[in-house]
Amino acid sequence: DAGITQSPRHKVTETGTPVTLRCHQTENHRYMYWYRQDPGHGLRLIHYSYGVKDTDKGEVSDGYSVSRSKTEDFLLTLESATSSQTSVYFCATLAGVGDTQYFGPGTRLTVL
Amino acid sequence: QQQVKQSPQSLIVQKGGISIINCAYENTAFDYFPWYQQFPGKGPALLIAIRPDVSEKKEGRFTISFNKSAKQFSLHIMDSQPGDSATYFCAASKGNTDKLIFGTGTRLQVFP
Repeated sequence: DAGITQSPRHKVTETGTPVTLRCHQTENHRYMYWYRQDPGHGLRLIHYSYGVKDTDKGEVSDGYSVSRSKTEDFLLTLESATSSQTSVYFCATLAGVGDTQYFGPGTRLTVL
Repeated sequence: QQQVKQSPQSLIVQKGGISIINCAYENTAFDYFPWYQQFPGKGPALLIAIRPDVSEKKEGRFTISFNKSAKQFSLHIMDSQPGDSATYFCAASKGNTDKLIFGTGTRLQVFP
């Protein structure tokens, strides 16, 4: 898993509550990504970061925000969770040009 | 908007047979085409990747064939083994630091 941990690994929450998922990496990789995986959709990029405090939106960013105050941590926040955000969330990192995106083990989020 | 189309959705192959998964892309600016393998409960892991300056890349039993004019690329798994049973995703990006656009995945089952 290239030194990537995600927490929590499983979470059940209720509609309307805020949720924060954490991605932690130990390889000092510059780039970090948040994807969601849903049946029939593959993996879709939510947000990504190309450095501390440098973030940008992916193709499915509505309802999500991110923060990166340290190289090693990339947080994904659902301000007010909805049932459509029930999914498996994967964090990925990449050191730089010529490297590979490495994925974490995932967080399974259920919004009731 | 499905920028990378993957087929088939599922594939059943006998041990020792050849597994073939196909992907087609739309954006001619894409220049990095990786394949990821995912086992249940795990994050995707890079299997093999190709750039459009070559038409084929082989690593062990896994081969990517690339057709730039047709905007298609495929994964061939020779001598398929039960341990190859997993979900396979193709992806594409503009440079490997850019966001990956994934296909919808192919579930491969290899029976002894």
